[in-house]
Amino acid sequence: DTGVSQNPRHKITKRGQNVTFRCDPISEHNRLYWYRQTLGQGPEFLTYFQNEAQLEKSRLLSDRFSAERPKGSFSTLEIQRTEQGDSAMYLCASSSTPRGKANEKLFFGSGTQLSVL
Amino acid sequence: GESVGLHLPTLSVQEGDNSIINCAYSNSASDYFIWYKQESGKGPQFIIDIRSNMDKRQGQRVTVLLNKTVKHLSLQIAATQPGDSAVYFCAENRRLSGNTGKLIFGQGTTLQVKP
Repeated sequence: DTGVSQNPRHKITKRGQNVTFRCDPISEHNRLYWYRQTLGQGPEFLTYFQNEAQLEKSRLLSDRFSAERPKGSFSTLEIQRTEQGDSAMYLCASSSTPRGKANEKLFFGSGTQLSVL
Repeated sequence: GESVGLHLPTLSVQEGDNSIINCAYSNSASDYFIWYKQESGKGPQFIIDIRSNMDKRQGQRVTVLLNKTVKHLSLQIAATQPGDSAVYFCAENRRLSGNTGKLIFGQGTTLQVKP
């Protein structure tokens, strides 16, 4: 499978614990995005990387959240001191920097479903 | 506030009929729109896109229409099949976002196809 891969698929944790998710993008893609999706809603942008540089972070990304992409390939999203409100699907997407005026197309993974008890 | 939204949360159609899913947006600065399909337990899957300099674009069994005058976007699915059952999202890319994949998604319409 050469698509975007996310692990784990499901994570159940207790409030206050730390969790870490991993995303492996499509190999030739230099951009990687994290989105969060709550039940019945569309995905919301959290942050994105171009290669190893984190270029933008949403206001949704509180200081308990940190994302890394150390070698410009896979990325991790860590949530510290989880809260029940963090329960959501965390989606990763990847793409290539568009050329000229072309629009960017994202390819999404299947997400990590987080449940905070 | 500004948002990309859908008119109906659920749409039920008979297999073989055509489906029309609607989306309204409020930001005239948006210049690129995408429709995604999301099946249960999966991430959004790209269906079709359209740039603001166009008003219609066709794919295989799908057509996207853009009416910038009333800020309306629609997705038409011809001869709807059971495999089309999913949640459909429209998304927009705003010029202020630069040429990035930072998208604003609507709330989604659940399409149910009755056999």
